[in-house]
Amino acid sequence: EAAVTQSPRNKVAVTGGKVTLSCNQTNNHNNMYWYRQDTGHGLRLIHYSYGAGSTEKGDIPDGYKASRPSQENFSLILELATPSQTSVYFCASGARQGATGQLYFGEGSKLTVL
Amino acid sequence: GQQVKQSSPSLTVQEGGILILNCDYENDMFDYFAWYKKYPDNSPTLLISVRSNVDKREDGRFTVFLNKSGKHFSLHITASQPEDTAVYLCAARGTGSKLSFGKGAKLTVSP
Repeated sequence: EAAVTQSPRNKVAVTGGKVTLSCNQTNNHNNMYWYRQDTGHGLRLIHYSYGAGSTEKGDIPDGYKASRPSQENFSLILELATPSQTSVYFCASGARQGATGQLYFGEGSKLTVL
Repeated sequence: GQQVKQSSPSLTVQEGGILILNCDYENDMFDYFAWYKKYPDNSPTLLISVRSNVDKREDGRFTVFLNKSGKHFSLHITASQPEDTAVYLCAARGTGSKLSFGKGAKLTVSP
């Protein structure tokens, strides 16, 4: 049974619209992450979180907000979507630093902004 | 700038051959190094990893070598198989649990 699930899996949005990508994990991990994947760029970190109530900026946070209301849930919010945010977004969870560094990824959410 | 730099974006190897994928990093504080494998339309999965107090780790056909003085780590794959065809992403973790990825290398194993 999938331990990291994302929704929606596919989304088409209009420029200027608001988009929320949701992620739920059942691994009981403290850390959660949002990455985007683009050809030629690999995975780039947008936001991450150490636990409920915490959000941290990753390497490319501009144009994105994040919310971690609980241990299990971590959302990525695009308040004003732009075509440059068309991408595949991956959520991941991981144990606290010092333990294994392995991240467990969700299935990905494909976002198209027209 | 990119803290983890992955060379050779595309590689082809014959089935049964040996392949080496390379990655360079900038941050002296990185303490964990990993290789992830990704099939098209799938999510990345951990292939092999090593902590900074070890310079080599082997798991079957896969070995990761870490050269801390050169800020370099590599993945060696022996006896390549068609199912090894995938994108391989190197990654490194610094303080704050941030895992930074390279741009990925597309490997094709030809019969």
